[in-house]
Amino acid sequence: GAVVSQHPSRVICKSGTSVKIECRSLDFQATTMFWYRQFPKQSLMLMATSNEGSKATYEQGVEKDKFLINHASLTLSTLTVTSAHPEDSSFYICSINGWAGSYNEQFFGPGTRLTVL
Amino acid sequence: GQQLNQSPQSMFIQEGEDVSMNCTSSSIFNTWLWYKQDPGEGPVLLIALYKAGELTSNGRLTAQFGITRKDSFLNISASIPSDVGIYFCAGQLMAGNTPLVFGKGTRLSVIA
Repeated sequence: GAVVSQHPSRVICKSGTSVKIECRSLDFQATTMFWYRQFPKQSLMLMATSNEGSKATYEQGVEKDKFLINHASLTLSTLTVTSAHPEDSSFYICSINGWAGSYNEQFFGPGTRLTVL
Repeated sequence: GQQLNQSPQSMFIQEGEDVSMNCTSSSIFNTWLWYKQDPGEGPVLLIALYKAGELTSNGRLTAQFGITRKDSFLNISASIPSDVGIYFCAGQLMAGNTPLVFGKGTRLSVIA
């Protein structure tokens, strides 16, 4: 199965600053990566679909100017939270579709815990 | 939008007991998956279901994809302390590079 890494694993920042989160596919070329957000004791909610070489597709209610996504290569997508506020504090998780044998499965990164003070 | 209704929300069981949780939806899904998430980590895939009616096992875990492709259950037999965590069902509407819709999760606690 595909291996997905995220960096950093956790970050604490002041309100108003910007934070960049990286998602890397270590052994699979991913034309598409997905970004999810998970608030405490809640489920994962899709934020956006990151497409290599083109603009990301955002879910309803997710501000594209606040959550900037760059998918510059087949192995790296970045999510930048601009002008972060305390309500942006959450667990951000990326995923890719990869092949496990003859079936297509979705593999998740370990997540990035963002805390905005 | 599509929603997956997962139940129960939480469970407290004795070590050695069997566990069952399920998910339903009003939408038809191409693929149904069950994940486990430990605190502070990303979800880890347990079982993936691709065919209607499919029954699949992975060690002590068994899951089935409903005939209508609108529901699924996950059973854990002879629970052990390391089964503690949050279990999520997730559906994929179409095959390929499409995102997942998640249930709200079942928080499992195992009492030794």
